[in-house]
Amino acid sequence: KAGVTQTPRYLIKTRGQQVTLSCSPISGHRSVSWYQQTPGQGLQFLFEYFSETQRNKGNFPGRFSGRQFSNSRSEMNVSTLELGDSALYLCASSDRGGNTGELFFGEGSRLTVL
Amino acid sequence: GENVEQHPSTLSVQEGDSAVIKCTYSDSASNYFPWYKQELGKGPQLIIDIRSNVGEKKDQRIAVTLNKTAKHFSLHITETQPEDSAVYFCAAIAAGYALNFGKGTSLLVTP
Repeated sequence: KAGVTQTPRYLIKTRGQQVTLSCSPISGHRSVSWYQQTPGQGLQFLFEYFSETQRNKGNFPGRFSGRQFSNSRSEMNVSTLELGDSALYLCASSDRGGNTGELFFGEGSRLTVL
Repeated sequence: GENVEQHPSTLSVQEGDSAVIKCTYSDSASNYFPWYKQELGKGPQLIIDIRSNVGEKKDQRIAVTLNKTAKHFSLHITETQPEDSAVYFCAAIAAGYALNFGKGTSLLVTP
């Protein structure tokens, strides 16, 4: 079974631009969660989608948004990029959601904002 | 929301020694406590978890203990090996909410 796939793996943007990251979950998994990982803050929850509906949302500004498609693939978008948005963005899929089962993480998309 | 504190942030042990990482949580409704291991360049991977109706769980060299009254849980790794070197994250969650992670412990096992 293929794992969680995230694209792109690396990207560089400048302040003010916007970025879209993609996540393909494990086949059959309907829950996709997104996390931001930085050295100082660890893993911070962004949002979770389950069957195309946002089920939970973390404490991030509205510049961070996401969506999930009918095939469970998910995208997250960050608009008006700031230097502090530089981070590793991790996607995780689950067959039921993080509160009841294991999260399977991708290798992440490393975003650098200049 | 849930707040998870994790200590220590870095831990260095000699091969064969034991390593202990401790976490505390704030929400008494939390009922699921997983531990994830993240190796360099990879995403975190679940290594062990425990639910609130269990006080201890063991899987070969790793074990997790949970004290619901004190709201803390710990990861114990015995007979550490160099391949145990990684960043370890604890997490806690209450039903209906999202998994909240501690800030991680960087474990280094020296030969």
